[in-house]
Amino acid sequence: AQKVTQAQTEISVVEKEDVTLDCVYETRDTTYYLFWYKQPPSGELVFLIRRNSFDEQNEISGRYSWNFQKSTSSFNFTITASQVVDSAVYFCALSEPVKAAGNKLTFGGGTRVLVKP
Amino acid sequence: NAGVTQTPKFRVLKTGQSMTLLCAQDMNHEYMYWYRQDPGMGLRLIHYSVGEGTTAKGEVPDGYNVSRLKKQNFLLGLESAAPSQTSVYFCASSWGRKETQYFGPGTRLLVL
Repeated sequence: AQKVTQAQTEISVVEKEDVTLDCVYETRDTTYYLFWYKQPPSGELVFLIRRNSFDEQNEISGRYSWNFQKSTSSFNFTITASQVVDSAVYFCALSEPVKAAGNKLTFGGGTRVLVKP
Repeated sequence: NAGVTQTPKFRVLKTGQSMTLLCAQDMNHEYMYWYRQDPGMGLRLIHYSVGEGTTAKGEVPDGYNVSRLKKQNFLLGLESAAPSQTSVYFCASSWGRKETQYFGPGTRLLVL
């Protein structure tokens, strides 16, 4: 079975500091997809980024950047110059095929980020 | 374009009562999913559908039934609610099997 581990349960920073969230995954699939989702205090799950296993190019999108390293099975996520609105729980997720042509997301336990003004 | 919507947002049930949670998406997605989120357990897949008229069991299907009579709707039913089904339920949809899943706002269910 696949597994996603987010070792950091909570991170507290002061506004404008950078925040890096760690994610380590386990899978036997050779082709897979990794995701980051954000869950603000209002409760909804917001899609942030998606990365496939055969594309290790790291990218920056606004204040978000990610570091995918297949050799260490890590998919870390960084928020640059954090803002109070970034306060949320962040989930790393791994796509996993299931029977009947289905697919499910295996989520990590989440990292709660608290950005203080 | 509302994306994925869920009805109701919050509900309180007594043990043994039944109810149906409705999920609707306007993105013409083929795949739809129901997850439950519990403290310390993350999100777990209950049931899913790979197209209109099809459904399949996820990892925690017991006590739930689903139907996908129309492509845009995915219903989750609880025939006889139990306190263990107190949770936040999320519906999601995706264009394809490995495509990004987009989530609804969630339904908070309390079973007394």
